[in-house]
Amino acid sequence: EAQVTQNPRYLITVTGKKLTVTCSQNMNHEYMSWYRQDPGLGLRQIYYSMNVEVTDKGDVPEGYKVSRKEKRNFPLILESPSPNQTSLYFCASSLWGSEAFFGQGTRLTVV
Amino acid sequence: AQSVTQLDSQVPVFEEAPVELRCNYSSSVSVYLFWYVQYPNQGLQLLLKYLSGSTLVKGINGFEAEFNKSQTSFHLRKPSVHISDTAEYFCAVSDSGGGADGLTFGKGTHLIIQP
Repeated sequence: EAQVTQNPRYLITVTGKKLTVTCSQNMNHEYMSWYRQDPGLGLRQIYYSMNVEVTDKGDVPEGYKVSRKEKRNFPLILESPSPNQTSLYFCASSLWGSEAFFGQGTRLTVV
Repeated sequence: AQSVTQLDSQVPVFEEAPVELRCNYSSSVSVYLFWYVQYPNQGLQLLLKYLSGSTLVKGINGFEAEFNKSQTSFHLRKPSVHISDTAEYFCAVSDSGGGADGLTFGKGTHLIIQP
C-alpha cells in the first residue's frame, strides 16, 4: 500500500531534549516536506526537499533541522525543543507537479 | 508570495442542507488549487483539485468547487451534507502542480453538521 509513515504518532518531551520525528514514503517520490499545524494558523511549511541531499527552508524553519540521505526518508530534528514547538506535524511527499500525500501526523508536546 | 484566505473559521449547517466554504487566493501567475479534508485525529486527504481546463471541478464525497479567475476564488460546495462531513477543510494553492514542495494553505474552515 502506498503511504507516508510518520513515527511516533504522539510524543511528550521536555524542553531542550533532542528528538527526531521520522518520515518514510514507499512511492519513490522526489519531493518531501514537513508542515506544522496550529489552531487558527492552518498548515505552515517548515522544510522541504526536492531530492536526496537537496533541502530548503519553508516558511517557519527556525528551531528545526532536516536531512535527506535516502530518497524514502526525511527525518525532522529538533535539537533543543521549546514549548512553542508544541504542535501537530505532518510529513508529505509527491512527484513533481503531482498530488501530495500526507502522513497521519505526529502530535508533539514540549513541557 | 502566495497567500490563501478562508473567510470563515467555522461554518455550522444543518444535516441535508447545502454548504459553501469560501476560499480566495492571491497570485498573478498560473496557479493550481486544492481542497483537503482532515477528519478528527487523521491526516489530510485530497478532496479535489484544479489544474487546468473546466472551471467546475468535482471531487470525492459529493463535493465540487468552481475556479473563478476574475474573483481569484475557489469556493467548495456540497448540495446536501451529512453528519460524516464534519471535519476541517483546507484550501491550498501551488504554482508547481501541488507537489509536496510548494503548497500554501489557508487557515482552515471547521464544518460543523448539526442534526
